[in-house]
Amino acid sequence: DAGVIQSPRHEVTEMGQEVTLRCKPISGHDSLFWYRQTMMRGLELLIYFNNNVPIDDSGMPEDRFSAKMPNASFSTLKIQPSEPRDSAVYFCASRRDRTYGYTFGSGTRLTVV
Amino acid sequence: GESVGLHLPTLSVQEGDNSIINCAYSNSASDYFIWYKQESGKGPQFIIDIRSNMDKRQGQRVTVLLNKTVKHLSLQIAATQPGDSAVYFCAEKVLSGNTPLVFGKGTRLSVIA
Repeated sequence: DAGVIQSPRHEVTEMGQEVTLRCKPISGHDSLFWYRQTMMRGLELLIYFNNNVPIDDSGMPEDRFSAKMPNASFSTLKIQPSEPRDSAVYFCASRRDRTYGYTFGSGTRLTVV
Repeated sequence: GESVGLHLPTLSVQEGDNSIINCAYSNSASDYFIWYKQESGKGPQFIIDIRSNMDKRQGQRVTVLLNKTVKHLSLQIAATQPGDSAVYFCAEKVLSGNTPLVFGKGTRLSVIA
């Protein structure tokens, strides 16, 4: 079991550019979560999917953020255009439907300059 | 969820001593709780969980205590080792429905060798 795989591990981009973060959940897990972690706000839930369907995106900060899950094995989080205040570590986590603990990926550290 | 300010509570413990990390949760309807450990540069890792029909659960070197009356959760680590140095998060959830975990404030555990 390779765990939850996120890419890239680090991303440095200029303000205004589009950023796409990728996540491959654990095979067989039915739910996927995107979190953002900063020193000021801690771990914030951005959006989560159940069976590839977005359930709650109320944590998405604004329209510049969008997330998709085209199939059970892949999800993307896109920021367009990116701003310096988006700099954070973005985590993806997945969960098997009948269990309740999440497995987190190693995160993507995003720096917008 | 709760936000974490610039300064995480820090607990410094001598190697070999026992550690107790505390957490006050916010939702009286929460009936499932998890402790996560986050090491530097990594995603949060599941340590132990407990449901509200229990007030104590033990794992390997770790014990979680739940006091529903005062909405308090604690994590006890026996014989603390340098590898236990990390940030520890509690998380709460209402099991009914498909609600996500809500993470609380983290506590940084520093083990002094």
